[in-house]
Amino acid sequence: DAGVIQSPRHEVTEMGQEVTLRCKPISGHDYLFWYRQTMMRGLELLIYFNNNVPIDDSGMPEDRFSAKMPNASFSTLKIQPSEPRDSAVYFCASSLYFADSYNEQFFGPGTRLTVL
Amino acid sequence: AQKITQTQPGMFVQEKEAVTLDCTYDTSDPSYGLFWYKQPSSGEMIFLIYQGSYDQQNATEGRYSLNFQKARKSANLVISASQLGDSAMYFCAMKGNQGGKLIFGQGTELSVKP
Repeated sequence: DAGVIQSPRHEVTEMGQEVTLRCKPISGHDYLFWYRQTMMRGLELLIYFNNNVPIDDSGMPEDRFSAKMPNASFSTLKIQPSEPRDSAVYFCASSLYFADSYNEQFFGPGTRLTVL
Repeated sequence: AQKITQTQPGMFVQEKEAVTLDCTYDTSDPSYGLFWYKQPSSGEMIFLIYQGSYDQQNATEGRYSLNFQKARKSANLVISASQLGDSAMYFCAMKGNQGGKLIFGQGTELSVKP
């Protein structure tokens, strides 16, 4: 029973380059979340989708960040152009429910991004 | 606004002893959920336990229990009989009932000593 799958697990890139992070949620989960984890800011929700539709992107830091979910089994988070301050661990998570207070989210292993 | 506070950046516990990790929260939602996640050094986030604001009893899951004190707005995690594999970061999180985000605390790093 596969969990949330993320790729790549590690990404090292140079400032100015485009970075694309990928996520495959658990089959049947209607909600998908992208988080960023840094020492300074902890875990922050960037954006979440319901049935492939972006619902809340208020956590996306700036226009350099974009996320898509073309189908129920795939999502991307893109940073263009990347900057050193984007270095962080990016998590994707999925869940069955979100509308009420119970919301067990299943996290992927994360992508550790380093921008030089 | 919702807020989660974990005041213990780091904790030490002797193997086989119990440990309590503190979490306080603030919300104006009448209904909300509280969660604890474990993040080992490998980096993944593992869901441990959930407590609903209207649940009458404290949640328990194996060696994990949640000491929920609604009036004090606290949701402390108790780990009984600590094991070396419990060494990890632990995050408290909260979500309201009206949609919205899962808000995480800053985390507590637990180290279990042999």
